[in-house]
Amino acid sequence: QKEVEQNSGPLSVPEGAIASLNCTYSDRGSQSFFWYRQYSGKSPELIMSIYSNGDKEDGRFTAQLNKASQYVSLLIRDSQPSDSATYLCAVESGNTPLVFGKGTRLSVIA
Amino acid sequence: SAVISQKPSRDICQRGTSLTIQCQVDSQVTMMFWYRQQPGQSLTLIATANQGSEATYESGFVIDKFPISRPNLTFSTLTVSNMSPEDSSIYLCSAEGESGTYNEQFFGPGTRLTVL
Repeated sequence: QKEVEQNSGPLSVPEGAIASLNCTYSDRGSQSFFWYRQYSGKSPELIMSIYSNGDKEDGRFTAQLNKASQYVSLLIRDSQPSDSATYLCAVESGNTPLVFGKGTRLSVIA
Repeated sequence: SAVISQKPSRDICQRGTSLTIQCQVDSQVTMMFWYRQQPGQSLTLIATANQGSEATYESGFVIDKFPISRPNLTFSTLTVSNMSPEDSSIYLCSAEGESGTYNEQFFGPGTRLTVL
């Protein structure tokens, strides 16, 4: 069974710090990796996708992928209170639905 | 990215009744999905809505309880049948379009269902 693991948190960081969110996955054949942000009472919002090893940067967000270690992470630089949310890691393997982790709750303290 | 709308946004229903949730996408998409999310929990995939054929259900979900239609590439419905309080949840429609050569999956705003 394909699994995606995340630390449930809460992860608390001070405003302006770097928040580091981690995710591991079990299916070595996984090809596509996504990070979603979900505010309380809202639906998940896609914020990053990554498909090849290395780093991908988009504004304050950096996704990192290491397929050999089956590990994907999301870094949020200069964290803001508005970044406080649950972050869901999702992994896709071929023509199968996304497998979601349980999410990490991030709290940015002003 | 695809824009997805759902109706109703919320409803309060009586035990034993049924509710149909509609999902509309603003562009043709390859895949549509239905999820359930209990408060404070992660997403649980109910089924993949297949255009022109029966939906593909995940373990623990059956067609009699959650019938799904997908008559075209932009629209799908999920019915929650013979509801009980345990069906109280947020139901999310999701669609997978194409971004370059890769598929990205987007979510509708959700339908908050309360069963009394």
